[in-house]
Amino acid sequence: DIRMTQSPASLSASLGETVNIECLASEDIYSDLAWYQQKPGKSPQLLIYNANSLQNGVPSRFSGSGSGTQYSLKINSLQSEDVATYFCQQYNNYPPTFGAGTKLELK
Amino acid sequence: EVQLVETGGGLVQPGRSLKLSCVASGFTFNNYWMSWTRQAPGKGLEWVASITNSGGSTYYPDSVKGRFTISRDNAQNTLYLQMNSLRSEDTATYYCTRSYYDGYYHVFAYWGQGTLVTVSS
Repeated sequence: DIRMTQSPASLSASLGETVNIECLASEDIYSDLAWYQQKPGKSPQLLIYNANSLQNGVPSRFSGSGSGTQYSLKINSLQSEDVATYFCQQYNNYPPTFGAGTKLELK
Repeated sequence: EVQLVETGGGLVQPGRSLKLSCVASGFTFNNYWMSWTRQAPGKGLEWVASITNSGGSTYYPDSVKGRFTISRDNAQNTLYLQMNSLRSEDTATYYCTRSYYDGYYHVFAYWGQGTLVTVSS
């Protein structure tokens, strides 16, 4: 199975700040990477697929980048509604696997 | 609007069975692969099962293979997960998910609200 390692496990940031979350795959996943946002008590929601394609309706302050084994999610100008846990997921190989999540809180 | 509504969760003893259902609406059900993904309390996400749009093929991780069966009724727009020989480690919220679109079978574009399964004596 492909192992997805997210960092940091948690972070605290201020409103308006830029936040970066990293995701490292144990082998090349050829940009077959998605990011999900899970707000407290809610179901996950798809933010990004193909490493950098924004799902319809997702604010443009979210962006994804990366290739090979290294990927990142960037949130510009952090808003209060961005408080959530973020998960990366690879879909290049069976089984699809998720990172452990990054919990984002407001400072 | 895409809606996925899961039912069937509850408290079950180890070794027993449970069947989850997911009623879909707001899209053409038989055009999309469907999956189940679970989340243990306070933990991360784990893919559990997928089924092709026709129902002709199914896929599982090793952790549930031989114990869980995914199926669908395209006439009723309903997805199922039959869970047998349940273990304490199967305790989780189970989410019904829809694929993004053709070719993106394991990009989970839509999620239900989840149904909690607790395996305990």
